[in-house]
Amino acid sequence: GQNIDQPTEMTATEGAIVQINCTYQTSGFNGLFWYQQHAGEAPTFLSYNVLDGLEEKGRFSSFLSRSKGYSYLLLKELQMKDSASYLCAVWDSNYQLIWGAGTKLIIKP
Amino acid sequence: ETGVTQTPRHLVMGMTNKKSLKCEQHLGHNAMYWYKQSAKKPLELMFVYNFKEQTENNSVPSRFSPECPNSSHLFLHLHTLQPEDSALYLCASSQLSSDTDTQYFGPGTRLTVL
Repeated sequence: GQNIDQPTEMTATEGAIVQINCTYQTSGFNGLFWYQQHAGEAPTFLSYNVLDGLEEKGRFSSFLSRSKGYSYLLLKELQMKDSASYLCAVWDSNYQLIWGAGTKLIIKP
Repeated sequence: ETGVTQTPRHLVMGMTNKKSLKCEQHLGHNAMYWYKQSAKKPLELMFVYNFKEQTENNSVPSRFSPECPNSSHLFLHLHTLQPEDSALYLCASSQLSSDTDTQYFGPGTRLTVL
């Protein structure tokens, strides 16, 4: 079967750095997405990786290793507004989006 | 208005009621999706419409009935639901044939079935 694994919950301190990991086992791979979802709101697109390596976008970076079936989202200079759930999703060989259950990130002052 | 909108934002209904959820996208996309989101579970894809034609339903119970009159509007008709159908229902849209086919989501309808 197809599976996306990410930690259920993480806690970090304001101003610090946090890395949210995502591992996947899917039938084929056509790209990996990260979304942010604040409580009661829509998931919003953060990043898309299809090639190995690090993609940096401001305070957020996303890394992909296709050979390891692994990605991470790196958040720097954490702010209280970064408290949210972070969803990892993989586009499989049939261009079906397979979703993880999300990682709830709690930021403490 | 911009993006993807959904109404109502909250809905409480009894098991014998009939209601409809509405989604509208203002992004000029050609694909629309219904998802179910339950606590601590992955998003569950319910229905996909490409160019107004339904392409996938993922074995959703018949008490959920989608309707897509045009590429900008999507409905989810609900009847005789069960308490376990209580969840957040999210609508999304995307532009097929783009490099990433990124999906853009609406704020969702929080559904409670009594």
